[in-house]
Amino acid sequence: NAGVTQTPKFQVLKTGQSMTLQCAQDMNHEYMSWYRQDPGMGLRLIHYSVGAGITDQGEVPNGYNVSRSTTEDFPLRLLSAAPSQTSVYFCASSHSVTNEKLFFGSGTQLSVL
Amino acid sequence: AQTVTQSQPEMSVQEAETVTLSCTYDTSESDYYLFWYKQPPSRQMILVIRQEAYKQQNATENRFSVNFQKAAKSFSLKISDSQLGDAAMYFCAYRSAGDMRFGAGTRLTVKP
Repeated sequence: NAGVTQTPKFQVLKTGQSMTLQCAQDMNHEYMSWYRQDPGMGLRLIHYSVGAGITDQGEVPNGYNVSRSTTEDFPLRLLSAAPSQTSVYFCASSHSVTNEKLFFGSGTQLSVL
Repeated sequence: AQTVTQSQPEMSVQEAETVTLSCTYDTSESDYYLFWYKQPPSRQMILVIRQEAYKQQNATENRFSVNFQKAAKSFSLKISDSQLGDAAMYFCAYRSAGDMRFGAGTRLTVKP
């Protein structure tokens, strides 16, 4: 059972480049989300989804797009990377939107030069 | 919006001793869950313990226990008999029928 799989684990971009961080879960979870982790700021929610075809913004959505065409996949797109987007990104999921724990992927270290 | 505050950026404990990490939160909801996650240098997020707000009894998991004070909106984590493997970042988190919000974290160092 793979759980939550994130790719890539590391990525270096130049300012202005675009890329997609992939996230997939095999637990049939309805809820999926993306966080970014910065020193001294904990994990901040970027976007989340409560089911296929449904997405919404979190605390820090600017510069990021998401879509949820299937239950399993929830990719995060950076349209035009900026140095302020240098961070560690985590994908997380749970069976429902209620008060359950989140299952986390292993994270993506992104550097934007 | 719900907020989670961890006022101790860093803590240190001697091996085999006990340490308490603090967390406060702000909410107007009555039904919610609170969590402590551990993040070792591997970067993996590991659930340590979970507390349901409607339960008055404090949650315990082996050497880990919480002191949940609902009226004070306080949720501290106690680690007993600290081990070298407990060294990590610890995040307090809140969830109520939606997204999970995290505190800024406390870095715990364990001295041999």
